[in-house]
Amino acid sequence: GAVVSQHPSWVICKSGTSVKIECRSLDFQATTMFWYRQFPKQSLMLMATSNEGSKATYEQGVEKDKFLINHASLTLSTLTVTSAHPEDSSFYICSAPSTHHFRNSPLHFGNGTRLTVT
Amino acid sequence: AQSVTQLDSQVPVFEEAPVELRCNYSSSVSVYLFWYVQYPNQGLQLLLKYLSGSTLVKGINGFEAEFNKSQTSFHLRKPSVHISDTAEYFCAVSKTSYDKVIFGPGTSLSVIP
Repeated sequence: GAVVSQHPSWVICKSGTSVKIECRSLDFQATTMFWYRQFPKQSLMLMATSNEGSKATYEQGVEKDKFLINHASLTLSTLTVTSAHPEDSSFYICSAPSTHHFRNSPLHFGNGTRLTVT
Repeated sequence: AQSVTQLDSQVPVFEEAPVELRCNYSSSVSVYLFWYVQYPNQGLQLLLKYLSGSTLVKGINGFEAEFNKSQTSFHLRKPSVHISDTAEYFCAVSKTSYDKVIFGPGTSLSVIP
């Protein structure tokens, strides 16, 4: 079964509203989580690194005020897309590293969230 | 900083034929290398990884890859592909085994019946 749970799997929202995406590590703790964005037919681009108990680290060009990241516990990180616009429509994927290579893998990905902004 | 190049954006291949998907990386430090597969409208699945040791790495679904440090390559191979192998394949690199992963642009593999 999945070791990283991402919710929701898809969401449709109206322009100007905010959407929250959750990423949970199951059966292991993750002090760090990574958020990626994937546009259609393109690769995954790292948006930010979520750090438990401290501020997230954003990649160059990613708006901190638009993509709010909160890592409140060792198993949960959230990404909130604020004042969403159609250009924010994308596939968002989180990942959590396991330093003990849980299930023989160093990094586990969620199944992604398909965001459509109308 | 690390980067990954996948020279072939699309690879069509007939069923039961062999396939090689090419990946080259650049990095000023030692890296860890991965191949992921993404089926349409789904998340990522780890095919195989190179962390250390033997340069020939075997993964799931009959795939294997060879790490070549001198050529900074990590090409993915399968001796006989199936229709179900049609998917997007991403080569990726990270500085440590649990660091952020940097993805290549991807190669779309289409298996033709």
